[in-house]
Amino acid sequence: DIQMTQSPSTLSASVGDRVTITCRASERIGTYLAWYQQKPGKAPKLLIYKASTLESGVPSKFSGSGSGTEFTLTISSLQPDDFATYYCQQYNSYVRTFGQGTKVEIQ
Amino acid sequence: EVQLVESGGGLVQPGGSRRLSCAASGFTFSSYWMNWVRQAPGKGLEWVATIKQDGRENYYVDSVKGRFTISRDNAKNLLYLQMSRLRAEDTAVYYCARVRSSGWPYDAFDIWGQGTMLTVSS
Repeated sequence: DIQMTQSPSTLSASVGDRVTITCRASERIGTYLAWYQQKPGKAPKLLIYKASTLESGVPSKFSGSGSGTEFTLTISSLQPDDFATYYCQQYNSYVRTFGQGTKVEIQ
Repeated sequence: EVQLVESGGGLVQPGGSRRLSCAASGFTFSSYWMNWVRQAPGKGLEWVATIKQDGRENYYVDSVKGRFTISRDNAKNLLYLQMSRLRAEDTAVYYCARVRSSGWPYDAFDIWGQGTMLTVSS
């Protein structure tokens, strides 16, 4: 199965900061990658699919890039509502896998 | 409104069985691949199983193969997860989730339910 590794596991940042989260796949997955945001006690929310396509209704401060095995999620100008845990997910195979998550917390 | 609502969670003894349900509304359920994803307390997301629109194909994470069965009733707009030989490590919130593209399995999960908690403990 394809393994997904996110870094960092925790990211401390301040309101207004620009942050980047990295996701690495154990084998090439093209652009079959999604990013989700999850807040405590809530279901995950789709932010980006196909590595860089913004889901409808998601603000443009979220952006994704990459292909093959290396991917990034960038959040420009962090706001209080953005402090959450972010997950990448590959869907290149029927056996989908998530990264372990990156918690973005207030510094 | 497009919606998924899970039910069936609760407390189950190790070795026991349970069936989770997910009721879909607001979209043509029979056109979409569907999934179960779980999250153990304080842990990350783990994809569990997926099923084709017509129910004729399904795939599982290795840790549940032979113990869990995903199925669907398109006439009732219901997705199921039948779980048997439950273990403590199956304790988690279980979410159902829809694949974004109609008729195509290789896409992200755009609609999620609120989750149902399953606790496996004696």
